[in-house]
Amino acid sequence: QKEVEQNSGPLSVPEGAIASLNCTYSDRGSQSFFWYRQYSGKSPELIMFIYSNGDKEDGRFTAQLNKASQYVSLLIRDSQPSDSATYLCAVTRGSTLGRLYFGRGTQLTVWP
Amino acid sequence: GAVVSQHPSWVICKSGTSVKIECRSLDFQATTMFWYRQFPKQSLMLMATSNEGSKATYEQGVEKDKFLINHASLTLSTLTVTSAHPEDSSFYICSARDTRQGLGEQYFGPGTRLTVT
Repeated sequence: QKEVEQNSGPLSVPEGAIASLNCTYSDRGSQSFFWYRQYSGKSPELIMFIYSNGDKEDGRFTAQLNKASQYVSLLIRDSQPSDSATYLCAVTRGSTLGRLYFGRGTQLTVWP
Repeated sequence: GAVVSQHPSWVICKSGTSVKIECRSLDFQATTMFWYRQFPKQSLMLMATSNEGSKATYEQGVEKDKFLINHASLTLSTLTVTSAHPEDSSFYICSARDTRQGLGEQYFGPGTRLTVT
């Protein structure tokens, strides 16, 4: 089983809709959870991080973490065409000094 | 958020030459930096973990004599691609771990696009 798995996508939503991106992880010792956005030809950009169970909101983005289910998600409200990108889920484990374990990414397209 | 820079942003070199890429944390000190490589339409691949003042830790399959990493200070890590070949052409990205707050979020540099002719 892969360390981090994301819904494969691609995901396509209309402008103004809610985009839901999901991620599961296999190691119960995972400590920190991150969502990165990567535009084509660019490097990843950190958009959300969450460490505790529950929801964390930042503007149009909400990250949700459920450690019992080993599940983390990202909701993007009022999606905009500029949100079209690949979204990478990443986790860290306590034993590996901050190394990120990435999912393969979900490509999101928001159409006008 | 923290800022990480890379230099150069792109470079073209001839086969057999060496290329040095710099990664700097601009507004924080980073004891740990990471080097990634990404081929078109593929996932990020971790090459090595760079720790200030000690030898880098390389991932399996990455040649440490070909990809020399030096983390000489708390704000600078360098990656030197030695005797570059066309198959080394790729997008090289560094990241730095900001441990000032939280559990150490990682921020990526803008990347360096290497083309070996």
